[in-house]
Amino acid sequence: DAKTTQPPSMDCAEGRAANLPCNHSTISGNEYVYWYRQIHSQGPQYIIHGLKNNETNEMASLIITEDRKSSTLILPHATLRDTAVYYCIVRVGNQFYFGTGTSLTVIP
Amino acid sequence: DVKVTQSSRYLVKRTGEKVFLECVQDMDHENMFWYRQDPGLGLRLIYFSYDVKMKEKGDIPEGYSVSREKKERFSLILESASTNQTSMYLCASSAPGQGTGELFFGEGSRLTVL
Repeated sequence: DAKTTQPPSMDCAEGRAANLPCNHSTISGNEYVYWYRQIHSQGPQYIIHGLKNNETNEMASLIITEDRKSSTLILPHATLRDTAVYYCIVRVGNQFYFGTGTSLTVIP
Repeated sequence: DVKVTQSSRYLVKRTGEKVFLECVQDMDHENMFWYRQDPGLGLRLIYFSYDVKMKEKGDIPEGYSVSREKKERFSLILESASTNQTSMYLCASSAPGQGTGELFFGEGSRLTVL
């Protein structure tokens, strides 16, 4: 059973905000949501994580709905180097459950 | 700079060969993981280990075994490689505990079984 579902692909214009959605409707109260991205031929890299509150760091913002059944990763000003596959992950204890990811293409 | 190092980026093996994929981390992490990644299927967990000599099956353990003799090293073993094990293999490590840390990945090992 997939713990997260994401759209398979999205496009975004360079300089605009990229909003990547994720559904995690079966998430439990103490399970964190993580986001990673993977650029071709490299290992996935951490972006951000959160539990209930919205989070922001130098890379992105994470918006988690009040019921915690979905979240959105926001890249505020997408660049061509943000073209990658983005994974939404639920952490259950010491295990990380990956979805199939969203392939984001940033268009010049 | 923290690191997870996988021994080989690219391997080509023949059906029936025994294959070892090695992973070393320098962060003193208790948890280590092996995933495989295939197009359209995302990352699937093969095995994980939360301590030396401890291991747990993930979602797709069939055809694989693992070894964790030292804290920093986690090995994935294909006893008799088959063509359907052609894939990208990713090793990762993390500190224990909910929400206390991220998962660090190696660069991956792309295995082709002929």
